[in-house]
Amino acid sequence: DIVLTQTPLSLSVTPGQPASISCRSSQTLLHSDGTTYLYWYLQKPGQSPQLLIYEASKRFSGVPDRFSGSDSGTDFTLKISRVEAEDVGVYYCMQSLQFPLTFGGGTKVEIK
Amino acid sequence: EVQLVESGGGLIQPGGSLRLSCAASGFTVSSSYLSWVRQAPGKGLEWVSSIYSSGTTFYADTVKGRFTISRDKSRNTLYLQMSSLRAEDTAVYFCARWHDYWGQGTLVTVSA
Repeated sequence: DIVLTQTPLSLSVTPGQPASISCRSSQTLLHSDGTTYLYWYLQKPGQSPQLLIYEASKRFSGVPDRFSGSDSGTDFTLKISRVEAEDVGVYYCMQSLQFPLTFGGGTKVEIK
Repeated sequence: EVQLVESGGGLIQPGGSLRLSCAASGFTVSSSYLSWVRQAPGKGLEWVSSIYSSGTTFYADTVKGRFTISRDKSRNTLYLQMSSLRAEDTAVYFCARWHDYWGQGTLVTVSA
């Protein structure tokens, strides 16, 4: 199974400041079709997860451009350029290269 | 607008059975890649099962042989038939059109 390790476990950020979350995969998520099957979700308190980034670096429809995703081999990063109050919640990375699909353990983001 | 609405959760005794439903609108279930994901109380996300548009199905090892994913084209609905339920199956169950839209979830509690 592919293991995704997220760091940090939690993050406390001042509004307007940047934030960065890491997701390290135990193996490549690059498919032979050229697609990297890594996704980022945000689960706001009391809500279901919502897609932020798909295929490692593509912003989903309606997602503010302060969110960005990048990758370097098996290391993936979600960056928030300027954190806002509405960004609080738990962020998860997820891989769908192969079954079983797996999620990272989550990173809880709170506002200072 | 894509919408997914789960139902069928509740309190069930260990060893019992339950069928979850996920009514979809805004897209066609039979033409889509769909999944069930669960979240135990206070825990992270765990993939449970997926079904391709072709009808091919996949299961997590923890539920294989006990859960069955299916769909009804006429009702545009996804199902998860769960049997031989255990305490560790207690969770909120989300259906999702992979990878973008998720329902709000339905709570399954397995307890005597």
